[in-house]
Amino acid sequence: SQTIHQWPATLVQPVGSPLSLECTVEGTSNPNLYWYRQAAGRGLQLLFYSVGIGQISSEVPQNLSASRPQDRQFILSSKKLLLSDSGFYLCAWSAVRTGGSYGYTFGSGTRLTVV
Amino acid sequence: GDSVTQMEGPVTLSEEAFLTINCTYTATGYPSLFWYVQYPGEGLQLLLKATKADDKGSNKGFEATYRKETTSFHLEKGSVQVSDSAVYFCALNNAGDSSYKLIFGSGTRLLVRP
Repeated sequence: SQTIHQWPATLVQPVGSPLSLECTVEGTSNPNLYWYRQAAGRGLQLLFYSVGIGQISSEVPQNLSASRPQDRQFILSSKKLLLSDSGFYLCAWSAVRTGGSYGYTFGSGTRLTVV
Repeated sequence: GDSVTQMEGPVTLSEEAFLTINCTYTATGYPSLFWYVQYPGEGLQLLLKATKADDKGSNKGFEATYRKETTSFHLEKGSVQVSDSAVYFCALNNAGDSSYKLIFGSGTRLLVRP
């Protein structure tokens, strides 16, 4: 069966420090991968998505970047965190072969607090 | 572009009350529609889905019917429980978009009181 792992679960980082969040998927190949951010009490904002290794699309200009070094690995990074980067970060995958009709499977999320 | 509009919360109900959370959408073509639920401190879980007009998705006592004529996908449950307290997100996926990304509504918080 397919599983998605996201870590760390919580993170407290000072302003100006770097960030690396990792997401891996097991049990499938060539998934579409996504990073979302959820600010406190608000909806979901799509940050990045990837349809293949090395292929990254950015939805909004920001202080973050994403990379996909392997088929089932998706990394969210920042060189220097801002206070506004605080939030709940969610990774998700979808199966290309289903044409998206099965929606996403989400990871358990990373709560990032920038202090 | 494609979009999803949900009723604003919070929605506060007593246990065993009837629940409706409204969701309408704007999309080209024939999107698939979804409801996701987020319990406190957790990620999102797929609650139900419908992939074509007049389909009814159902799970755990929740139902939603894909109404193309009114571009709606309202979530309903006949008798809510305290354990249903969560944030509910309506979402669509446009089959014409090869990224298969989901467009989410802003979420509706449901609070069920005993």
